[in-house]
Amino acid sequence: QKEVEQNSGPLSVPEGAIASLNCTYSDRGSQSFFWYRQYSGKSPELIMFIYSNGDKEDGRFTAQLNKASQYVSLLIRDSQPSDSATYLCAVNRPGSARQLTFGSGTQLTVLP
Amino acid sequence: GAGVSQTPSNKVTEKGKYVELRCDPISGHTALYWYRQSLGQGPEFLIYFQGTGAADDSGLPNDRFFAVRPEGSVSTLKIQRTERGDSAVYLCASGASGKNEQFFGPGTRLTVL
Repeated sequence: QKEVEQNSGPLSVPEGAIASLNCTYSDRGSQSFFWYRQYSGKSPELIMFIYSNGDKEDGRFTAQLNKASQYVSLLIRDSQPSDSATYLCAVNRPGSARQLTFGSGTQLTVLP
Repeated sequence: GAGVSQTPSNKVTEKGKYVELRCDPISGHTALYWYRQSLGQGPEFLIYFQGTGAADDSGLPNDRFFAVRPEGSVSTLKIQRTERGDSAVYLCASGASGKNEQFFGPGTRLTVL
Protein backbone atom coordinates (compact mmCIF):
# COMPACT_ATOMS: atom_id res chain seq x y z
CA GLN A 1 0.00 0.00 0.00
CA LYS A 2 1.33 3.42 -0.95
CA GLU A 3 1.87 5.77 1.98
CA VAL A 4 -0.11 8.58 0.35
CA GLU A 5 -2.68 7.72 -2.28
CA GLN A 6 -4.50 9.98 -4.67
CA ASN A 7 -6.70 9.26 -7.63
CA SER A 8 -4.51 10.22 -10.58
CA GLY A 9 -7.48 11.44 -12.61
CA PRO A 10 -7.84 13.22 -14.85
CA LEU A 11 -10.75 14.88 -13.08
CA SER A 12 -12.81 17.22 -15.23
CA VAL A 13 -15.35 19.69 -13.89
CA PRO A 14 -17.24 22.53 -15.60
CA GLU A 15 -16.38 26.11 -14.79
CA GLY A 16 -18.21 27.28 -11.68
CA ALA A 17 -18.62 23.78 -10.22
CA ILE A 18 -17.07 22.37 -7.05
CA ALA A 19 -13.98 20.23 -7.58
CA SER A 20 -13.37 17.59 -4.92
CA LEU A 21 -9.89 16.08 -4.57
CA ASN A 22 -9.22 13.20 -2.21
CA CYS A 23 -6.21 11.72 -0.48
CA THR A 24 -5.71 8.82 1.90
CA TYR A 25 -2.63 8.11 3.98
CA SER A 26 -1.43 4.96 5.65
CA ASP A 27 0.30 6.06 8.85
CA ARG A 28 -1.93 7.07 11.76
CA GLY A 29 0.92 9.01 13.35
CA SER A 30 0.93 11.70 10.67
CA GLN A 31 -0.02 15.10 12.03
CA SER A 32 0.52 17.64 9.24
CA PHE A 33 -1.26 17.68 5.90
CA PHE A 34 -0.65 19.88 2.91
CA TRP A 35 -2.12 20.55 -0.51
CA TYR A 36 0.12 21.82 -3.27
CA ARG A 37 -0.88 22.96 -6.75
CA GLN A 38 1.52 22.25 -9.61
CA TYR A 39 1.10 23.71 -13.06
CA SER A 40 2.69 21.83 -15.93
CA GLY A 41 6.42 22.51 -16.03
CA LYS A 42 6.37 24.46 -12.77
CA SER A 43 7.20 23.68 -9.16
CA PRO A 44 4.65 22.89 -6.44
CA GLU A 45 2.90 25.85 -4.80
CA LEU A 46 1.48 25.51 -1.27
CA ILE A 47 -2.22 26.34 -1.24
CA MET A 48 -3.53 24.83 1.99
CA PHE A 49 -2.33 23.14 5.17
CA ILE A 50 -4.35 21.55 7.95
CA TYR A 51 -3.29 20.06 11.26
CA SER A 52 -6.59 19.46 13.11
CA ASN A 53 -9.64 17.36 12.35
CA GLY A 54 -12.42 19.24 10.60
CA ASP A 55 -12.60 21.87 7.91
CA LYS A 56 -10.33 24.79 7.14
CA GLU A 57 -11.41 27.40 4.62
CA ASP A 58 -9.32 29.91 2.71
CA GLY A 59 -11.12 31.79 -0.04
CA ARG A 60 -12.44 29.29 -2.59
CA PHE A 61 -10.46 26.44 -1.02
CA THR A 62 -11.56 24.17 1.84
CA ALA A 63 -9.35 21.45 3.29
CA GLN A 64 -11.03 18.66 5.23
CA LEU A 65 -9.23 16.28 7.57
CA ASN A 66 -10.52 13.09 9.14
CA LYS A 67 -7.74 11.40 11.08
CA ALA A 68 -9.93 8.47 12.15
CA SER A 69 -10.50 7.58 8.50
CA GLN A 70 -6.98 8.71 7.48
CA TYR A 71 -8.49 10.91 4.83
CA VAL A 72 -7.84 14.46 3.71
CA SER A 73 -9.62 16.29 0.94
CA LEU A 74 -9.53 19.59 -0.90
CA LEU A 75 -12.64 21.32 -2.21
CA ILE A 76 -12.39 24.08 -4.78
CA ARG A 77 -15.55 26.15 -5.07
CA ASP A 78 -16.47 28.15 -8.17
CA SER A 79 -13.77 26.35 -10.17
CA GLN A 80 -12.02 28.41 -12.81
CA PRO A 81 -10.03 27.30 -15.88
CA SER A 82 -6.96 28.74 -14.11
CA ASP A 83 -7.42 26.05 -11.44
CA SER A 84 -6.49 23.42 -14.03
CA ALA A 85 -3.34 21.82 -12.63
CA THR A 86 -2.08 18.78 -10.76
CA TYR A 87 -2.90 18.82 -7.06
CA LEU A 88 -0.45 17.10 -4.74
CA CYS A 89 -1.32 15.86 -1.28
CA ALA A 90 1.58 15.73 1.21
CA VAL A 91 1.72 14.22 4.67
CA ASN A 92 4.47 14.39 7.26
CA ARG A 93 6.31 11.19 8.10
CA PRO A 94 5.61 10.29 11.73
CA GLY A 95 8.57 11.08 13.93
CA SER A 96 9.65 13.77 11.50
CA ALA A 97 7.49 16.89 11.40
CA ARG A 98 9.44 18.12 8.41
CA GLN A 99 9.88 15.11 6.10
CA LEU A 100 6.93 15.14 3.72
CA THR A 101 5.64 12.19 1.71
CA PHE A 102 3.77 13.19 -1.42
CA GLY A 103 1.10 11.45 -3.39
CA SER A 104 1.44 11.22 -7.16
CA GLY A 105 -1.12 13.97 -7.66
CA THR A 106 -4.56 14.37 -9.21
CA GLN A 107 -4.78 16.15 -12.54
CA LEU A 108 -7.72 18.59 -12.57
CA THR A 109 -9.15 20.15 -15.69
CA VAL A 110 -11.77 22.90 -15.41
CA LEU A 111 -13.71 23.19 -18.63
CA PRO A 112 -14.83 26.66 -19.73
CA GLY B 1 14.03 38.18 -4.38
CA ALA B 2 11.03 37.11 -2.35
CA GLY B 3 11.05 33.42 -3.15
CA VAL B 4 13.39 30.45 -3.16
CA SER B 5 15.85 30.58 -6.04
CA GLN B 6 17.73 27.69 -7.61
CA THR B 7 20.56 27.57 -10.09
CA PRO B 8 21.04 26.40 -12.71
CA SER B 9 17.51 25.98 -14.03
CA ASN B 10 18.72 23.23 -16.35
CA LYS B 11 21.79 21.03 -16.19
CA VAL B 12 22.81 18.47 -18.78
CA THR B 13 25.73 16.24 -17.91
CA GLU B 14 27.28 12.98 -18.95
CA LYS B 15 27.16 9.76 -17.01
CA GLY B 16 29.95 9.63 -14.45
CA LYS B 17 30.36 13.40 -14.08
CA TYR B 18 30.04 15.45 -10.90
CA VAL B 19 27.33 18.12 -10.54
CA GLU B 20 26.46 20.80 -8.02
CA LEU B 21 23.00 22.30 -7.64
CA ARG B 22 22.50 25.49 -5.67
CA CYS B 23 19.58 26.72 -3.57
CA ASP B 24 19.05 30.16 -2.06
CA PRO B 25 16.18 30.07 0.44
CA ILE B 26 13.67 32.74 1.33
CA SER B 27 15.42 35.35 3.45
CA GLY B 28 15.16 34.54 7.14
CA HIS B 29 14.04 30.94 6.65
CA THR B 30 16.05 28.60 8.85
CA ALA B 31 14.78 25.31 7.43
CA LEU B 32 15.87 24.11 4.00
CA TYR B 33 14.79 20.97 2.18
CA TRP B 34 15.85 19.10 -0.92
CA TYR B 35 13.44 16.90 -2.88
CA ARG B 36 13.56 15.36 -6.31
CA GLN B 37 10.67 14.79 -8.63
CA SER B 38 10.42 12.35 -11.51
CA LEU B 39 7.84 12.69 -14.26
CA GLY B 40 4.36 11.79 -13.11
CA GLN B 41 5.38 11.43 -9.48
CA GLY B 42 5.22 13.61 -6.41
CA PRO B 43 8.41 15.04 -4.93
CA GLU B 44 10.57 12.61 -3.00
CA PHE B 45 12.33 13.81 0.17
CA LEU B 46 16.12 13.85 0.17
CA ILE B 47 17.43 15.93 3.08
CA TYR B 48 16.41 18.60 5.58
CA PHE B 49 18.63 21.27 7.15
CA GLN B 50 17.88 23.25 10.27
CA GLY B 51 20.47 26.01 10.23
CA THR B 52 23.84 24.65 9.15
CA GLY B 53 23.30 21.05 10.16
CA ALA B 54 21.53 18.24 8.36
CA ALA B 55 18.68 17.36 10.72
CA ASP B 56 17.44 14.49 8.54
CA ASP B 57 19.34 12.99 5.61
CA SER B 58 17.43 9.73 5.51
CA GLY B 59 16.16 10.35 1.98
CA LEU B 60 19.56 10.53 0.29
CA PRO B 61 19.56 7.47 -1.97
CA ASN B 62 23.24 6.54 -1.63
CA ASP B 63 26.66 7.94 -0.83
CA ARG B 64 26.97 9.62 -4.24
CA PHE B 65 24.62 12.30 -2.93
CA PHE B 66 25.76 14.92 -0.45
CA ALA B 67 24.48 18.34 0.59
CA VAL B 68 25.94 21.21 2.56
CA ARG B 69 24.71 24.47 4.03
CA PRO B 70 27.86 25.94 5.59
CA GLU B 71 26.53 29.34 6.66
CA GLY B 72 22.91 28.42 7.31
CA SER B 73 21.61 30.08 4.18
CA VAL B 74 22.59 28.89 0.70
CA SER B 75 22.75 25.12 0.20
CA THR B 76 24.49 23.01 -2.42
CA LEU B 77 23.42 19.51 -3.41
CA LYS B 78 26.35 17.55 -4.79
CA ILE B 79 26.05 14.40 -6.89
CA GLN B 80 29.13 12.35 -7.72
CA ARG B 81 29.48 9.84 -10.55
CA THR B 82 26.08 10.71 -11.98
CA GLU B 83 23.93 7.95 -13.41
CA ARG B 84 21.09 8.14 -15.93
CA GLY B 85 18.67 7.28 -13.13
CA ASP B 86 19.59 10.53 -11.39
CA SER B 87 17.76 12.47 -14.10
CA ALA B 88 14.91 14.36 -12.42
CA VAL B 89 13.86 17.81 -11.29
CA TYR B 90 15.63 18.67 -8.07
CA LEU B 91 13.51 20.91 -5.89
CA CYS B 92 14.58 23.01 -2.96
CA ALA B 93 12.14 24.33 -0.37
CA SER B 94 12.51 26.53 2.68
CA GLY B 95 10.50 27.16 5.79
CA ALA B 96 10.34 29.58 8.69
CA SER B 97 11.56 28.68 12.15
CA GLY B 98 8.98 26.68 14.08
CA LYS B 99 6.70 26.28 11.07
CA ASN B 100 6.05 23.11 9.12
CA GLU B 101 5.02 24.77 5.87
CA GLN B 102 7.49 24.37 3.01
CA PHE B 103 7.79 26.71 0.03
CA PHE B 104 9.39 25.42 -3.13
CA GLY B 105 11.76 27.02 -5.57
CA PRO B 106 11.50 26.62 -9.34
CA GLY B 107 13.73 23.54 -9.42
CA THR B 108 16.75 22.40 -11.41
CA ARG B 109 16.09 19.96 -14.20
CA LEU B 110 19.01 17.52 -14.29
CA THR B 111 19.52 15.36 -17.35
CA VAL B 112 22.23 12.70 -17.31
CA LEU B 113 23.08 11.44 -20.78
